[in-house]
Amino acid sequence: DAKTTQPPSMDCAEGRAANLPCNHSTISGNEYVYWYRQIHSQGPQYIIHGLKNNETNEMASLIITEDRKSSTLILPHATLRDTAVYYCIVRGNSGGSNYKLTFGKGTLLTVNP
Amino acid sequence: DVKVTQSSRYLVKRTGEKVFLECVQDMDHENMFWYRQDPGLGLRLIYFSYDVKMKEKGDIPEGYSVSREKKERFSLILESASTNQTSMYLCASSRQGRLETQYFGPGTRLLVL
Repeated sequence: DAKTTQPPSMDCAEGRAANLPCNHSTISGNEYVYWYRQIHSQGPQYIIHGLKNNETNEMASLIITEDRKSSTLILPHATLRDTAVYYCIVRGNSGGSNYKLTFGKGTLLTVNP
Repeated sequence: DVKVTQSSRYLVKRTGEKVFLECVQDMDHENMFWYRQDPGLGLRLIYFSYDVKMKEKGDIPEGYSVSREKKERFSLILESASTNQTSMYLCASSRQGRLETQYFGPGTRLLVL
């Protein structure tokens, strides 16, 4: 799996968009970008994933650069409840015994009132 | 919405006790996982099950066993609890062929005295 690099922490004002970057310069052609988050004292929560096209769901948008070497998770209107550690994971398709999720250190997003 | 529930949020046990952690998911998912999460060590896979009565060892199965008698339920058993098993235990589930999109329970924080 490709290695990812994320800033250790970010701040965002409540109601503003939060843009969380992730670098994955060694990503290969069949690897997807996944985003999870973990609110303090809770289990991780799946947010979104994509291959090369931009994706949007009810939680967030995912923008992947054309060369796929980086991506940005966008929370359009951050709330206090979005304060969490956000993890960017790059993974190939399911196959073989590579079924575990490996979380790096992630980005601690703090949404301020 | 996928719902993964775990039998306890907090648990205190004594060294040598047999401990059962229960996990139930309501989305008919084929795959279920047990992880533990410790500060500085991230998420580590203990066991994985891809079908009823089927299981595979993860990275750290020593001291643990699992049981999957029904599709919706995956149990983690600590045969003889030890203090180094004090941790946050997280259960997750996913659909067949979608191993990367895992839905997590709230976690059980286990303290072994």
